Amino acid sequence: AQRVTQPEKLLSVFKGAPVELKCNYSYSGSPELFWYVQYSRQRLQLLLRHISRESIKGFTADLNKGETSFHLKKPFAQEEDSAMYYCDPETSYDKVIFGPGTSLSVIP
Amino acid sequence: KAGVTQTPRYLIKTRGQQVTLSCSPISGHRSVSWYQQTPGQGLQFLFEYFSETQRNKGNFPGRFSGRQFSNSRSEMNVSTLELGDSALYLCASSFGGPQETQYFGPGTRLLVL
Repeated sequence: AQRVTQPEKLLSVFKGAPVELKCNYSYSGSPELFWYVQYSRQRLQLLLRHISRESIKGFTADLNKGETSFHLKKPFAQEEDSAMYYCDPETSYDKVIFGPGTSLSVIP
Repeated sequence: KAGVTQTPRYLIKTRGQQVTLSCSPISGHRSVSWYQQTPGQGLQFLFEYFSETQRNKGNFPGRFSGRQFSNSRSEMNVSTLELGDSALYLCASSFGGPQETQYFGPGTRLLVL
């Protein structure tokens, strides 16, 4: 069965520390990879998309096809990064499966 | 461009009742997806509609149904409500489907008593 895992349900880091939110998927083929973020009292929104290869709010995500991972990284966490993060690998033919989400808390 | 809107924002129902939720996508978007969000289960995909046709379906019972109109607006219906249906229901729209960036609405919070 195709699965998405985000092993950390909760992740706490200190402000200024590096942060990495892990995402592993078990899809055959080449999914389109997204990270979505939900800040407190805001709607879910796109953070970044692999195909864009952009850095958004200091975050980057590297696709590792060998490990089938798409981890989200930021070198220096800020308090405003505290949010819920969802990994979303999409294929053109399968059901939509978001990862279970990681709640990031940045400690001042 | 106006964002995705959902109505109503809050709803309280009792077990056994049915409920209809509405979603208006961003103008020009033809795909509307529905999700159930709960603290325990996270985001779970319900179904996706594209050009008035259900194109994808998640693993929810038949009590959950939906439809899409010619203007791309979508409705979701839940019949015979159960306590476990209490959740935030999100809809998202995109041009072509979940393989493109999805734009989420604020959600409808449903409480079943």
